[in-house]
Parts: sequence; C-alpha cells; structure tokens
Amino acid sequence: EVQLVQSGAEVKKPGESLKISCKGSGYSFTSYWIGWVRQMPGKGLEWMGIIYPGDSDTRYSPSFQGQVTISADKSISTAYLQWSSLKASDTAMYYCARALGERFGYWGQGTLVTVSS
Amino acid sequence: EIVLTQSPGTLSLSPGERATLSCRASQSVSSSYLAWYQQKPGQAPRLLIYGASSRATGIPDRFSGSGSGTDFTLTISRLEPEDFAVYYCQQYGSSPFFTFGPGTKVDIK
Repeated sequence: EVQLVQSGAEVKKPGESLKISCKGSGYSFTSYWIGWVRQMPGKGLEWMGIIYPGDSDTRYSPSFQGQVTISADKSISTAYLQWSSLKASDTAMYYCARALGERFGYWGQGTLVTVSS
Repeated sequence: EIVLTQSPGTLSLSPGERATLSCRASQSVSSSYLAWYQQKPGQAPRLLIYGASSRATGIPDRFSGSGSGTDFTLTISRLEPEDFAVYYCQQYGSSPFFTFGPGTKVDIK
C-alpha cells in the first residue's frame, strides 16, 4: 500500500527556521516525483514545487522560488520542505503528494505550520 | 502561465441531484493534463479524474469528466451525502508546471 506520512504540526515564531518531512512507503521512492502543496487557512491549493528523489532534480513554482527549499534523502525515502526564516504568512497546511505524470495520485495527511509571535 | 477559473464558486444542491462543475483555462490545455480532486473538511485532497475523463482507482462511476481545449466539466450524476465537498481542477504544463483552480464548493441545499 502506497503511503505518504508527514511530520507533525509545528508552532514557530517569525524568523525561525523549519524543516518538515514526508516519508514514502509501499513503492519505489526514487521512481516518482514528490510535490508540495500549500493550503492557507480557508483557501485553495497552491503548488509549491516538486522533486525527483532518484536524482534530486527539483522544480519550483515561481511564486515559491527562493522562499522555500525542497530536498530528499532517498536512503530513508523522505522528502523535505524547509524554510530559513518563517513569516506569519507561512501559516498554512502543507501537503506532500506523489506525482504520476500530470497528476497527484497519493497525498500525505498534511502538516499544519503555525507562525506566530 | 495558464490560469484556471472554476464556476460556480458555490453550488447548492440536494442529495440525488446532478452537479455540473466548470473549469476554464486561460490557454488551451492538453486533455491528457487535466485532473479533478475532491477535498472534504480536515482531509487531504483525493484524485477523482485524470486525463480529463479517466476515473482514478476506486472512484464511483457517478463521477465523470469531460471537455477539451479550454473548457472542462466535472459531473456528479446523483449526489450522495458524502459528495458534499470542495472540488478543484488542476492542469499540468509548462512552468509553473502544476496549477490548481480556486475550487467549487458543493454544499447541501
């Protein structure tokens, strides 16, 4: 069974750094792209970027380029999304999702990030 | 950059009724690259339709997708209580590669 299990909710202060994770299981982790999607409170879905764990090829949405870093450790089948300096506007639910071509067929349960002073 | 517009923003219907959701793209989208998702409160999105008209694994046949070019439609033939949710269309193409529409909420009338 394909599963993506994300790390738990985080509460951070503005300016702090953060790295959240997404662990894949039940499939060949290095053979599928993993994307990250933001959902701000009460809002829609926004694609942030995507990584191919097999060779760490990474693509970013222009809206998120330079704002976050996506990485992966294929030895432990885990993808990451990180911030170096959080802002209050980063408060959102973040989902990882496995891409098969043009679609996201499997999703993690989401990680809620709250940034507040 | 392709922009997706969904209408209506909210659709108020009763169980058993037919729901017709629209997704319009600012430029032509390959039918192979248009997907639909369902999201219920507190849950992650779920893939319903890909390639504009192919149902994902385990999706009931009351869900169907159609369209081409810039106009796509998700139809729910007879609404079940569990179908009241938010629906998003999504396209894949050139940068930014993946774009989601703003969503249509289907709520109980």
